[in-house]
Amino acid sequence: DGGITQSPKYLFRKEGQNVTLSCEQNLNHDAMYWYRQDPGQGLRLIYYSQIVNDFQKGDIAEGYSVSREKKESFPLTVTSAQKNPTAFYLCASNFRTSGGELFFGEGSRLTVL
Amino acid sequence: QKEVEQDPGPLSVPEGAIVSLNCTYSNSAFQYFMWYRQYSRKGPELLMYTYSSGNKEDGRFTAQVDKSSKYISLFIRDSQPSDSATYLCAMSALHDMRFGAGTRLTVKP
Repeated sequence: DGGITQSPKYLFRKEGQNVTLSCEQNLNHDAMYWYRQDPGQGLRLIYYSQIVNDFQKGDIAEGYSVSREKKESFPLTVTSAQKNPTAFYLCASNFRTSGGELFFGEGSRLTVL
Repeated sequence: QKEVEQDPGPLSVPEGAIVSLNCTYSNSAFQYFMWYRQYSRKGPELLMYTYSSGNKEDGRFTAQVDKSSKYISLFIRDSQPSDSATYLCAMSALHDMRFGAGTRLTVKP
């Protein structure tokens, strides 16, 4: 079955540690996205990538980094520079020419202790 | 002012009720309008997708877009307990997509 796989589903880390969230898709989508979801707020875009080896900052990129070495994979690193990293992180993908329909993964819940 | 405004609720209705969910927006460049359903601790799933103004119906769900008023709605007929979830509106101008905060809906048996 085609879809987007995020791992891990739950992650606990100590303050000051970098963590990497995995996102893999087998939908043959060109574009991939990382969003952050906090209670009472809409999804906020962290980074997006429309093609391999290229990515763009979203609205809240500070303290995060990404790579896009393969079409299927778009890992997100939450660095120690991110001041408030505890959140629900969602990866999404679509075709570059799509009008906006996004397919989401199941999310990764990061808690920083 | 937020680019997309959505009442967070919570909204609680009895089974069988008609539910109305709404969003307003400020960016007239938005052309694509979507509703996503998100169950607790899960990723959002696309429910309805509309291009420009008009109505779209899919089973018990109807999406309406009024671009002149910058207002979109989602109606759920004969609501079921399985409809209990958070509903997110979203709108985009190609790659600039914005989401509402989501409305939490509970349908009581």
